[in-house]
Amino acid sequence: QVQLVQSGAEVKKPGASVRVSCKASGYSFASFAIHWVRQAPGQSLETLGRIDPGNGNTQYSRIFQGRVTITTDPSASTAYMELTSLTSADTGVYFCAREAYDSSDSSGASWFDPWGQGTLVTVSS
Amino acid sequence: DIQMTQSPSSLSASVGDRVTITCRASGTIGAYLNWYQQKPGKAPKLLIYSVFSLQGGVPSRFSGSGSGTDFTLTISSLQPDDFAIYFCQHTYNSPYTFGQGTKLEIK
Repeated sequence: QVQLVQSGAEVKKPGASVRVSCKASGYSFASFAIHWVRQAPGQSLETLGRIDPGNGNTQYSRIFQGRVTITTDPSASTAYMELTSLTSADTGVYFCAREAYDSSDSSGASWFDPWGQGTLVTVSS
Repeated sequence: DIQMTQSPSSLSASVGDRVTITCRASGTIGAYLNWYQQKPGKAPKLLIYSVFSLQGGVPSRFSGSGSGTDFTLTISSLQPDDFAIYFCQHTYNSPYTFGQGTKLEIK
């Protein structure tokens, strides 16, 4: 089945960087964009950015521009998200999600399905 | 950026109740509106995409409606498994944004 499996929890010191992986299976990795979404404790969902594995094109949220880098390893069907200059405000669960669409629908509508299980990143001195 | 505002932020209801959650976009988003359900410690799960299309495996008591800037998620008869947090999301343009969530609690 279509699945995204993320790497395990991380504990980092302020100022450090973190890299989270997201391994895809069950579909053609190159055919669907992967997005990264953060959820701070008790908060809503915030998009960090996306990558199109087919061509490597990326788009980043203005809030995270300059601190986030999203890459892929197509040979491993894996996407990566690196966030630098961490502060306590970066503590939260980081999710990857596939941007799905209906190829028979010309409207261009899309949605996130499936999601990875989430990776808890804790930033603490 | 398009902002998504959900109401209410929280809601207490009983099993069997009919519940409606609303989502308003700060600009027109056509039919590019999705709904997700999230339970504690879990990833969000897609319920409804493109306003009213039910994701496979989602019970028919869930339905969506709306267009333009105003949208609703309705649960026709609440079941114990439905108590969770619900998020709307637009995918009209980048950045895709989410509502702040509606926490549905047992009365």
